[in-house]
Amino acid sequence: GAGVSQSPRYKVAKRGQDVALRCDPISGHVSLFWYQQALGQGPEFLTYFQNEAQLDKSGLPSDRFFAERPEGSVSTLKIQRTQQEDSAVYLCASSLSRWPIQETQYFGPGTRLLVL
Amino acid sequence: GQQLNQSPQSMFIQEGEDVSMNCTSSSIFNTWLWYKQDPGEGPVLLIALYKAGELTSNGRLTAQFGITRKDSFLNISASIPSDVGIYFCAGPYNFNKFYFGSGTKLNVKP
Repeated sequence: GAGVSQSPRYKVAKRGQDVALRCDPISGHVSLFWYQQALGQGPEFLTYFQNEAQLDKSGLPSDRFFAERPEGSVSTLKIQRTQQEDSAVYLCASSLSRWPIQETQYFGPGTRLLVL
Repeated sequence: GQQLNQSPQSMFIQEGEDVSMNCTSSSIFNTWLWYKQDPGEGPVLLIALYKAGELTSNGRLTAQFGITRKDSFLNISASIPSDVGIYFCAGPYNFNKFYFGSGTKLNVKP
């Protein structure tokens, strides 16, 4: 079966541009996470969805970051007015279980964002 | 946020050698996870630990959940070239918010 997919794999944006990053989780997975991974660092939690409900967005670094999962499957992470410090790999992960998460999170390959 | 400190930051070893890395936290975690990440890919779960003192193996990998619940270690026995990658520890805080360490980069010389 298909794993978690993310698109685009690479995105170059000019400072100030808006970007939208897409995540297709594994079919039937209830939980979906977004992480930001800076070069040489571990992933940092951004936000968590259980179905279409965004239950935790405490990791979003600013109000320029917005995530949605309107039908409880595909999710989009939007970054408005991108800044150079937004350059990172954005990882999406999905999990079969609901909160509290006990099952494995499956990660996508990530979208590498470079803001010039 | 929670800090997970991993050591060493990087390792250069010869094929066939055993490897040990660890992860410590200032806070108690109820679950410890170990992931491996290859270049250009997302992390892949290797081992999950759910109970203090638990020792779990997955092939050549063995991980332990520390008694204090503030640390964990991962051992790899008889390393092979495909073990190359970055190893992360992680744990959930408040159930859904997962924290990751900064990783241990493993290099294996054939």
